[in-house]
Amino acid sequence: SQTIHQWPATLVQPVGSPLSLECTVEGTSNPNLYWYRQAAGRGLQLLFYSVGIGQISSEVPQNLSASRPQDRQFILSSKKLLLSDSGFYLCAWNTGVYTEAFFGQGTRLTVV
Amino acid sequence: RKEVEQDPGPFNVPEGATVAFNCTYSNSASQSFFWYRQDCRKEPKLLMSVYSSGNEDGRFTAQLNRASQYISLLIRDSKLSDSATYLCVVNVGNTPLVFGKGTRLSVIA
Repeated sequence: SQTIHQWPATLVQPVGSPLSLECTVEGTSNPNLYWYRQAAGRGLQLLFYSVGIGQISSEVPQNLSASRPQDRQFILSSKKLLLSDSGFYLCAWNTGVYTEAFFGQGTRLTVV
Repeated sequence: RKEVEQDPGPFNVPEGATVAFNCTYSNSASQSFFWYRQDCRKEPKLLMSVYSSGNEDGRFTAQLNRASQYISLLIRDSKLSDSATYLCVVNVGNTPLVFGKGTRLSVIA
């Protein structure tokens, strides 16, 4: 069966520090991968998605970036965090754009 | 107009009540529809897909109205454990799934 791992679960980082969040999927090949952010009390905002290794689409301009170095690995990064980057970051996967998506457990990031 | 709209609630209902949520979508070319459930401070989890003919899973019934561009979720015999935020999700063409902001449900004893 397929599983998705996302870490760390919680993170407190100072403003201006770098960020690296990692997500891996097991049990499937060539998944579509997604990074979402959910601010407190808000809906899910799509940040990046990838349909293959090295293919990244960005949905919103921001100081975040994403990379997909391997088929089942998706990384979210920032060189310098802002206070507004605080939120609940969720990685997800599916097998096609028309299919349901499955989420990792999320990383709760607080920038202080 | 937003792509996917939901009444944010909260819906406060007693145990055993029937509650219905509606969700409207703007793109008539949308092809896939889902309901997700999100518990507080947790990741969203798939509750059910929504099929054109409507579908049922235990106490949950989902329906799709393409002409009016809305989907609905009906929960019968509400349980305390049904308290959560329910997210309407739509595939808008050949792009990633679009999530509504969710409707909060509180089932009260």
